[in-house]
Amino acid sequence: QQPVQSPQAVILREGEDAVINCSSSKALYSVHWYRQKHGEAPVFLMILLKGGEQKGHEKISASFNEKKQQSSLYLTASQLSYSGTYFCGTEASGGYQKVTFGTGTKLQVIP
Amino acid sequence: NAGVTQTPKFRVLKTGQSMTLLCAQDMNHEYMYWYRQDPGMGLRLIHYSVGEGTTAKGEVPDGYNVSRLKKQNFLLGLESAAPSQTSVYFCASSSLRGAGELFFGEGSRLTVL
Repeated sequence: QQPVQSPQAVILREGEDAVINCSSSKALYSVHWYRQKHGEAPVFLMILLKGGEQKGHEKISASFNEKKQQSSLYLTASQLSYSGTYFCGTEASGGYQKVTFGTGTKLQVIP
Repeated sequence: NAGVTQTPKFRVLKTGQSMTLLCAQDMNHEYMYWYRQDPGMGLRLIHYSVGEGTTAKGEVPDGYNVSRLKKQNFLLGLESAAPSQTSVYFCASSSLRGAGELFFGEGSRLTVL
């Protein structure tokens, strides 16, 4: 069962912030975040393991609430290069490394 | 290193024809996956493998078969192609359970007429 992402699409002006949410109905072992540009393969952003940790690099960070089976991706001071479709991927506890993805959030950053 | 390589990158088939997509990785990864991507549907898992000689069904396995005879290769087969299988197919590999980044191939665009 695919995780649910929200919003489905968002338009930002350069410098604005955005939050993308991902939720699952199953207990999770890990959450992955990827960004895909049109016509290209998804590119890894980060992985969060159960335990409520938060990760980030530069202006992109994420949190993982294990109890709620939810993760959020935070993009601050957005840049034009942040445009693309963001996918969360989840592995359920006991899921044998089966990573299933949400339907994606299309992010467009405009000048 | 080449990473994850998919062949072919483009293919047009007629309904009922068969074909095989090849995924090869040179990173000695245990885990390999086949996903299909359709507009508005995200990436959906077709089949995956947790090691040489193993395969398992994902979310949308019907109409596909897979084999992992060698650790570095993961083959996806369509025995009798249908227009509903028109899609972009991505292969991915990973080294660590749960904590492993997925490395994706460039994708294979398949059109079934």
